[in-house]
Amino acid sequence: DAGVTQSPTHLIKTRGQQVTLRCSPKSGHDTVSWYQQALGQGPQFIFQYYEEEERQRGNFPDRFSGHQFPNYSSELNVNALLLGDSALYLCASSLEGGAVQPQHFGDGTRLSIL
Amino acid sequence: AQKITQTQPGMFVQEKEAVTLDCTYDTSDPSYGLFWYKQPSSGEMIFLIYQGSYDQQNATEGRYSLNFQKARKSANLVISASQLGDSAMYFCAMRVAGGTSYGKLTFGQGTILTVHP
Repeated sequence: DAGVTQSPTHLIKTRGQQVTLRCSPKSGHDTVSWYQQALGQGPQFIFQYYEEEERQRGNFPDRFSGHQFPNYSSELNVNALLLGDSALYLCASSLEGGAVQPQHFGDGTRLSIL
Repeated sequence: AQKITQTQPGMFVQEKEAVTLDCTYDTSDPSYGLFWYKQPSSGEMIFLIYQGSYDQQNATEGRYSLNFQKARKSANLVISASQLGDSAMYFCAMRVAGGTSYGKLTFGQGTILTVHP
């Protein structure tokens, strides 16, 4: 039973570029959430997708956008990259079902902006 | 708004001993879930244990147990018989069942646990 998989593992970009990160949820899960984790801090919620729609969004600018596909996989897109976007980006999947459902995380994509 | 506070930036424990990692939370939503995650230096976030706000008993999962004190709004993680492989960052997190924050996990700042041989 495959867990949450993310690609790529590492990525190096320069300021102003655009990046796309990918996530495949754990088998049977239908909800995907994205988090940004700066070094030494807890993850910060970016947004969540369910039934191919953005259901909830954290305090992130419109440069951060996403998509969920019919097979529940998801992409995170970041435009006009800034140095401050350097972070570990974590994807989490869960079953729709309220607060009782734990979110299971992938290994993350480490994004470095030069 | 929800808030998670972890007041211990770092903790040290001797191998085979027990250790408690503190977590306090704040929410006005009566229905919520509390979670603990382990993050080794490699970066992956590993789900350890869950406690629901209406659960009458404290959750346990192997060597992990959650000391849930609802009136004090605390959800401390207890690791028994510590192992060298337990050395990692530990995060407490919360998810509420309703309102505009439904779905998102709110994390604390984390506690770095170091297990000494």
